[in-house]
Amino acid sequence: QVQLVQSGAEVKKPGASVKVSCKASGYTFTSYDFNWVRQATGQGLEWMGWMNPDSGSTGYAQKFQGRVTMTRDTSINTAYMELNSLRSEDTAVYYCARFYGDYDAVDFWGQGTLVTVSS
Amino acid sequence: QSVLTQPPSASGTPGQRVTISCSGSRSNIGNNYVNWYQQLPGTAPTLLIYRNNQRPSGVPDRFSGSKSGTSASLAISGLRSEDEAGYYCAAWDDSLSATVFGGGTKLTVL
Repeated sequence: QVQLVQSGAEVKKPGASVKVSCKASGYTFTSYDFNWVRQATGQGLEWMGWMNPDSGSTGYAQKFQGRVTMTRDTSINTAYMELNSLRSEDTAVYYCARFYGDYDAVDFWGQGTLVTVSS
Repeated sequence: QSVLTQPPSASGTPGQRVTISCSGSRSNIGNNYVNWYQQLPGTAPTLLIYRNNQRPSGVPDRFSGSKSGTSASLAISGLRSEDEAGYYCAAWDDSLSATVFGGGTKLTVL
């Protein structure tokens, strides 16, 4: 069965960086794009970008361009999202998700990683 | 301010039918598929409807989706207490080259 298991919660100071990992299992890692989505407490879902794990190609939401980097390590079936220059407004749960082309939709989500930015 | 517009809340009693709307523009809903996600409290979202009106396996047929022009809607019939959750619409936006979400609708089962 498809599983996306994310790394644990992080606490960072303003200006620091955070790197969240997402280990995939139950399917061929390079066959489907990853999306990253975040959600501040009590708020809605915010799309951050996508990554093709086969080619490494990426596309980022304009809001995050220059501050986010999505990468992968195909040897361990793991995708990463790194966000730099953190500020308090970046405090949120970050989700990785698999984009299933046959559905034109994200069909599986990781459990989420809480990133808290606080001085 | 979300690109797709949803009502912030909806409610119904058990057994009722409720609908949740999602309004966008030609660059997103007008030109692309709409997907719906359910988010139970404290959990990650799950896919409820894809490609406007298709249900993944395991999703009850009480849930249905539709799209017309630049708007879409999610209908839940035979409302149950376990349907109490947040519901989000999403679509690709050609102008932004990004996936856009609605602000979410919190459904309360009275």
